[in-house]
Amino acid sequence: GAVVSQHPSRVICKSGTSVKIECRSLDFQATTMFWYRQFPKQSLMLMATSNEGSKATYEQGVEKDKFLINHASLTLSTLTVTSAHPEDSSFYICSARAGQGEGQPQHFGDGTRLSIL
Amino acid sequence: SQQGEEDPQALSIQEGENATMNCSYKTSINNLQWYRQNSGRGLVHLILIRSNEREKHSGRLRVTLDTSKKSSSLLITASRAADTASYFCATAFSGNTGKLIFGQGTTLQVKP
Repeated sequence: GAVVSQHPSRVICKSGTSVKIECRSLDFQATTMFWYRQFPKQSLMLMATSNEGSKATYEQGVEKDKFLINHASLTLSTLTVTSAHPEDSSFYICSARAGQGEGQPQHFGDGTRLSIL
Repeated sequence: SQQGEEDPQALSIQEGENATMNCSYKTSINNLQWYRQNSGRGLVHLILIRSNEREKHSGRLRVTLDTSKKSSSLLITASRAADTASYFCATAFSGNTGKLIFGQGTTLQVKP
C-alpha cells in the first residue's frame, strides 16, 4: 500500500528555534500533499495544500511566513515552523494522495509532536 | 468552517458489541471518507463512499450515506479491543483539489 513517512516524530526545542518537518511518499509520487495541525483531543485542521513545483495554498488564518512549505519533488514536502514559540506546540501531520482522481484517499504520515519550551 | 459534526464524541462498549458513529456535514460533497487514528499516530483510511452511493461494506465496517440529510454513519460490528481508537469522517468537495474537511471525531473504547 501507499506509505507516507514523516520525520522527525518528536521535536523538543527552545523558543525562537526554527523546526523543519519532512513528509515523504515512499512508494508513490504525490503532486499534492497536505499539512494538518491537531490539538489534543481535537480534530485535524488543514493548514495548507502543498503543490509540487509551485506555491502552497494556505487556509484562512494560517500565516504563510510562519509556516513555510516547500514541495521540491514529487516525493517530498517540508514544513518549516519559523521562530517557533510555545503556542506553536502541537501535533503536525502530513498526508498525500497516490493519484489525482476524485475518490482517492489520503495516506497519512505518523505525525510530528512539536514541543516548544 | 465547513467541519462536520460527529456524535457521539465518546463511546465505550464491551468487546463483541456493535459501535455506531454518526457524522453530519454542511455542504454538497463529492465523497465522504472515514479514518481511524490510534493515539499519537497518523490516520489510517478505512472506507470511502461516493455521493451517489448509499451504503458500503468492508469487512466488519458498514458505512451509510444520506445526502438528503447530509449525514453518514459508520458501524463496526463485533467490536474488538483493538478497535479502540478515534474515528473521523472527512468530506471531499467537487473540484478535485483533494482537500478534506474533518469532523470532530468519535473516541471509541472497546473493553475486553
